Amino acid sequence: EAGVAQSPRYKIIEKRQSVAFWCNPISGHATLYWYQQILGQGPKLLIQFQNNGVVDDSQLPKDRFSAERLKGVDSTLKIQPAKLEDSAVYLCASSSYDRGRSPLHFGNGTRLTVT
Amino acid sequence: DQQVKQNSPSLSVQEGRISILNCDYTNSMFDYFLWYKKYPAEGPTFLISISSIKDKNEDGRFTVFLNKSAKHLSLHIVPSQPGDSAVYFCALYNQGGKLIFGQGTELSVKP
Repeated sequence: EAGVAQSPRYKIIEKRQSVAFWCNPISGHATLYWYQQILGQGPKLLIQFQNNGVVDDSQLPKDRFSAERLKGVDSTLKIQPAKLEDSAVYLCASSSYDRGRSPLHFGNGTRLTVT
Repeated sequence: DQQVKQNSPSLSVQEGRISILNCDYTNSMFDYFLWYKKYPAEGPTFLISISSIKDKNEDGRFTVFLNKSAKHLSLHIVPSQPGDSAVYFCALYNQGGKLIFGQGTELSVKP
């Protein structure tokens, strides 16, 4: 099966600019996640979708980050305006169960550098 | 408030020997435990998991041990191979269904 697709792979922007990331999950996976991984740390959950509804966005900095999953398939994550501390790898993941304990399947991520 | 800790940032092992990666957690309500492997410029890949009702799960060269009383999880790789060199993350599901990751341990297997 095709894996989780993410684009772009790399992005460099200046602080206060905006940026958007795109994710296409594995076909048929109802649950989609966005994680932020700062260098030297483990991935941290930003937002979790079940189909096109938000399940958990408690750690999403809502003053600057937004995410949507229209039609319950693809998703976009946006940062506006970006700060230096947003430099990280943004990982998208999907899974096939809504409340199960199935492993998440990750994409290769987007490496964001904010200068 | 770090609920999941991997206290060793790095580990170096000789090829053919055992690699032991450790993970400690503070909340006894975690109920499912996973290990992920990550190569540079790639996303994490699922390796092996264990439910809280078990204390051991084995898959080929990889064995995960769970000590609930000590709130300790470990991954054993025997024998270690150079291709195992990667960053390993433990990840724990809490009862709310949220997956929480440790900071990772970088394993280097020397030929």
